[in-house]
Amino acid sequence: EAAVTQSPRNKVTVTGGNVTLSCRQTNSHNYMYWYRQDTGHGLRLIHYSYGAGNLQIGDVPDGYKATRTTQEDFFLLLELASPSQTSLYFCASRDQDTQYFGPGTRLLVL
Amino acid sequence: GDQVEQSPSALSLHEGTDSALRCNFTTTMRSVQWFRQNSRGSLISLFYLASGTKENGRLKSAFDSKERRYSTLHIRDAQLEDSGTYFCAAGSGGSNYKLTFGKGTLLTVTP
Repeated sequence: EAAVTQSPRNKVTVTGGNVTLSCRQTNSHNYMYWYRQDTGHGLRLIHYSYGAGNLQIGDVPDGYKATRTTQEDFFLLLELASPSQTSLYFCASRDQDTQYFGPGTRLLVL
Repeated sequence: GDQVEQSPSALSLHEGTDSALRCNFTTTMRSVQWFRQNSRGSLISLFYLASGTKENGRLKSAFDSKERRYSTLHIRDAQLEDSGTYFCAAGSGGSNYKLTFGKGTLLTVTP
């Protein structure tokens, strides 16, 4: 079973704050993803990557940057956090067929 | 409109009963994946299908292999622990593999 971990699990920041969410997977999967989950929207794709140094834009990228530093590590950056970015954030990695999700990070932007 | 439409949006079942969830796609999809999200927010993969059917215990899923425009998740003999939100996600395939999620079905199983 793939192991995907996220940190922090909970984060509170203020409007305009700088936040970095971290994701690590230990199964050498090529693809990694960042999603946000909001009531009424399901999960929406922010950014994804198919390897170290690669970044692909997802469906709701505005206000987010991401960086894939290694095969294992994928970071989501909010450089000027806004209340609209209050959400539950999931990271996932993918083998050939299946996406495996981390436990999620709850972010509150005041 | 949404590419992936799930129905119903909410469902209440008595223990021991059967039901089905449905996922419709507005365009042909390569694959479908079903997830359950529990009360703590954890997402658990239930099935991945590129065609046909798969079964695991009391759960069975099917993906329309002909037109590739819908999938179903059948729950047999519902139990309390089946409660949660069920998501389907359609795979676009190709080199830029993305999942597009439906908005989920909130399932509540009652004694």
